[in-house]
Amino acid sequence: DTGVSQNPRHKITKRGQNVTFRCDPISEHNRLYWYRQTLGQGPEFLTYFQNEAQLEKSRLLSDRFSAERPKGSFSTLEIQRTEQGDSAMYLCASSFRQSSYNSPLHFGNGTRLTVT
Amino acid sequence: AQRVTQPEKLLSVFKGAPVELKCNYSYSGSPELFWYVQYSRQRLQLLLRHISRESIKGFTADLNKGETSFHLKKPFAQEEDSAMYYCALSGPGQAGTALIFGKGTTLSVSS
Repeated sequence: DTGVSQNPRHKITKRGQNVTFRCDPISEHNRLYWYRQTLGQGPEFLTYFQNEAQLEKSRLLSDRFSAERPKGSFSTLEIQRTEQGDSAMYLCASSFRQSSYNSPLHFGNGTRLTVT
Repeated sequence: AQRVTQPEKLLSVFKGAPVELKCNYSYSGSPELFWYVQYSRQRLQLLLRHISRESIKGFTADLNKGETSFHLKKPFAQEEDSAMYYCALSGPGQAGTALIFGKGTTLSVSS
């Protein structure tokens, strides 16, 4: 499967613990996005990277959240001191951007986080 | 503020009936509009984008700038069209902003 890969698929953690998710984008894609989706809502934008540079962060991304894409390939999203409100599906997507062309976003299957 | 509104949470139709999933947007400029679909147990995937002006799986969507709408239509629904549909927008070309999604509409097609 050459699509966007996310690990783990499911994560159950206790409140206050730290968690880290990984996303491997489609190899030729230079943009990588993180979204969060809760029940009954559409995906909500968190942040995105172009290569290794983090270009935009949503106000949803509190200081407990940090994302990295150190080599411009895979990305990690870490949540520190998890809260029950962090329970959601975390989606990663990638795309290719060059000049004024933006390819559509390709999504992964997501990581479902449950904070108990 | 950028916003996408999908007024219907659920749309139930019979097989062979026409389908229209509504999408209205708010954007100060000329956005790019998309429809994404999520079938049961599958990942979110692109259905169509307005700049392509194409029909995918019998679905079409026309961007109406005057009404700021991008409704998704299909003349004859099939059971396999049952899925969650999301309308989304992004800034055009150079703006390259991230996609903003609506809350989604569940389409249920029954025989």
